[in-house]
Amino acid sequence: DAGVIQSPRHEVTEMGQEVTLRCKPISGHDYLFWYRQTMMRGLELLIYFNNNVPIDDSGMPEDRFSAKMPNASFSTLKIQPSEPRDSAVYFCASSLWGGPGYGYTFGSGTRLTVV
Amino acid sequence: DQQVKQNSPSLSVQEGRISILNCDYTNSMFDYFLWYKKYPAEGPTFLISISSIKDKNEDGRFTVFLNKSAKHLSLHIVPSQPGDSAVYFCAASARNTGNQFYFGTGTSLTVIP
Repeated sequence: DAGVIQSPRHEVTEMGQEVTLRCKPISGHDYLFWYRQTMMRGLELLIYFNNNVPIDDSGMPEDRFSAKMPNASFSTLKIQPSEPRDSAVYFCASSLWGGPGYGYTFGSGTRLTVV
Repeated sequence: DQQVKQNSPSLSVQEGRISILNCDYTNSMFDYFLWYKKYPAEGPTFLISISSIKDKNEDGRFTVFLNKSAKHLSLHIVPSQPGDSAVYFCAASARNTGNQFYFGTGTSLTVIP
């Protein structure tokens, strides 16, 4: 398995533009998570899905953020309009349900810079 | 509100010595804890875990200790190697949060050859 695949690896965009981050989870994993890494808050959970259904989006910072999972092999995180404070590394992770003992497999992340 | 805290942003250790990374948590319902290791430009990778029914778990050079009364866990690396230089995140979960883990802010470990 190729692991969790995220694209693009780097994204530089101007303030006000729409940004779409993409994630392909590991085949067979039924949980998908979007995290944001910042110096101040570490790895911060934005939203997670179970069987393509959003379960908890309480971490999504504002209405400018939205996430979808149209099928078991693809998810997107969209920011519209983007702002400089959105600059961070965004990680996607997937896991099998098996109770809290099952760790996540993370992708390599997307480094977003909003100028 | 940060439920999992790593108060040391960075740590430097000489090769061959012990590295001790610390983590504190506030939620007494947490019952499973993990450590992740992250190299630059890569995603975090699972390192070691511990359940609340234990107070120690060992895997090779890595040992995690859990002190439930103090709501504290630590990761010991002995002996430390230059390849251990990375950012280490601790994470915690509780049965009533399903499969959701809460992560700390990370500690950057540098092992000096």
